Order: sequence, then C-alpha cells, then structure tokens
Amino acid sequence: KQEVTQIPAALSVPEGENLVLNCSFTDSAIYNLQWFRQDPGKGLTSLLLIQSSQREQTSGRLNASLDKSSGRSTLYIAASQPGDSATYLCAVPSRGGGADGLTFGKGTHLIIQP
Amino acid sequence: EAGVTQFPSHSVIEKGQTVTLRCDPISGHDNLYWYRRVMGKEIKFLLHFVKESKQDESGMPNNRFLAERTGGTYSTLKVQPAELEDSGVYFCASSQVAGNTGELFFGEGSRLTVL
Repeated sequence: KQEVTQIPAALSVPEGENLVLNCSFTDSAIYNLQWFRQDPGKGLTSLLLIQSSQREQTSGRLNASLDKSSGRSTLYIAASQPGDSATYLCAVPSRGGGADGLTFGKGTHLIIQP
Repeated sequence: EAGVTQFPSHSVIEKGQTVTLRCDPISGHDNLYWYRRVMGKEIKFLLHFVKESKQDESGMPNNRFLAERTGGTYSTLKVQPAELEDSGVYFCASSQVAGNTGELFFGEGSRLTVL
C-alpha cells in the first residue's frame, strides 16, 4: 500500500529565502508525482507534474525533483514571497497507473513572513 | 474555459439526514474523481469514473455513500444517512483520457458538516 510522507509539516520563513519541501513515498513503482498548492478554503492547484522518466520539472520560481529509486521528491521554492503562503501537497498514483486515484501526503503548511 | 465546479460549497445537516453533492468536471474530461479530507487527515481517494462507468471505488468508506455519473457528464455523491464522521471537505477532480498525462484539475470542494 502506497504511503506518502511530507516533511516538514509546517514551515515559517522570512520573505526572500529559498526553501525546500520534502516528500517521500514507500512504493517506488510510480507513474508520476504531482505537487499541488492549496489556499485556505480553496481547491487544489496543480503546480508541477513529474513523469516517472523525468528527474525534474521547473515552473517559474518552482523546481521539483524526483528520485524514484530512493522514493523521494523535493519542491524547491526560490526567492519566496508572501503570496507563496499556502499548504503544499505531494501525491502519487495509488496503484501505479497514470489515471489511478492519488495517494496524498498530509502537506506542508508554509508561511512566508513579509 | 470553466474549471471543475462543485455544489454546494458548504452544507450543514443533522445526523441521519441525506446530502447530495454535485460535481461538474471540465468539459471533455472523461476521468472524474471524488476525494475527501477529514479534519487533521490527508486527502483520501474515494472513487474514479471513466465516463459513466465506475473504474475504481475502492476508497468508498461504506454503503452509505453512493456516487453516480449518469450520461458521463456531471457526477453526484450522496451520503445517506449521514453520520458525524462524514464531516469533511469533499473534492472532485477531472482529467482527460486521451493523451492523459495524469494531471488532475480539482474543484474548490464541498464542505460537509454533520451535527
């Protein structure tokens, strides 16, 4: 059974800092890995999707890496801004297929102090 | 283009009552998923439709939950009778089948409070 763990559970840093959020998963036979952002009272917004054959994906100030063999992914946020404050969620397909339901971590609650 | 829309955004009912949640996926998305987040826990998968067919309902908690997707367009999730532990946020997500990359698009959720 796939399990996803995210560390840290919460993080508060001053504006401008670079930071790293961590995600680990127990079954390395994944099809892809997604990072989502959730603002309070809102739905999930897909940030980055890394296919199993890829090692990283970049979008603006965000960079996500994937190490399938070790069951780890990191989300790097450069030059953090107060608008980055949100909960960041990592998820992988539960049974390995691209259209399968996802297994989520509990998320990292991020606060960027102005 | 409209995103995934869910209705109602918030519902407060008493234990034993019935509630029906609705999800309209992005037009053309044949994959439709229901997820739930109860307080303090991670988001959990409930079920997956491909068009009108249930592809995977392994996450449905019990037989008080019934999901339908007649005609393969919008979906409903009915809870009958509701229990206190059913409180949480119910999310719907959709994705395309053809050329599927696995990227999911989520609605804003329906918050259910059972008193």
